[in-house]
Amino acid sequence: QLVLTQSPSASASLGASVKLTCTLSSGHSSYAIAWHQQQPQKGPRYLMKLNSDGSHYKGDGIPDRFSGSSSGAERYLTISSLQSEDEADYYCQTWGAGYVVFGGGTKLTVL
Amino acid sequence: EVQLVESGGGLVQPGRSLRLSCAASGFTFDDYAMHWVRQVPGKGLEWVSGISWNSGRIDYADSVKGRFTISRDNAKNSLYLQMNSLRDEDTALYYCAKDRGEGNSWYGFDYWGQGTLVTVSS
Repeated sequence: QLVLTQSPSASASLGASVKLTCTLSSGHSSYAIAWHQQQPQKGPRYLMKLNSDGSHYKGDGIPDRFSGSSSGAERYLTISSLQSEDEADYYCQTWGAGYVVFGGGTKLTVL
Repeated sequence: EVQLVESGGGLVQPGRSLRLSCAASGFTFDDYAMHWVRQVPGKGLEWVSGISWNSGRIDYADSVKGRFTISRDNAKNSLYLQMNSLRDEDTALYYCAKDRGEGNSWYGFDYWGQGTLVTVSS
């Protein structure tokens, strides 16, 4: 059973950096994921696809402040120079033969 | 500019049916797989169903299998979700999403609509 685990919440100060984590369940450490951002009262927005080797492919118009990296079964989203509009829920997603799975999401608060 | 616009949501009684639509524009619709995802207000995202570019591959979440049917009309650049035997727990915001890849596999999503709200209640 493929499961994506995310911390429910994170916080960081305006202008600082934050690193969010998505962990793939045992036996699935080679899987790629995608990161999505959901601002309050809005639909989700695709940020990037992130491969197991750390290579990532960002969506249209996604600022350079957003980057991705990988280590083993962990997939990371780093947001630098935090801005107020970065306060949102962040979801990781993966997929396989016949299914798509989302992590539970991380609510990011910008202090 | 890619646009996905959902419609068809509303209030429906348990056991009844509802059909959602998603109008797509700004990309070659018949090149890409499409999906439906739902979200209970205040909760996380749940994938509901996906359909490949030519309808050759269709998958459903266990929670809707046998009750929901996904389909597409490439001539109309439209995606549909027929929802039968609706339950209280199907109440959610339903999003249409475009898959990143072509072919008959899933590759993650790169565009989302704004959603249409389905409320199942007597």
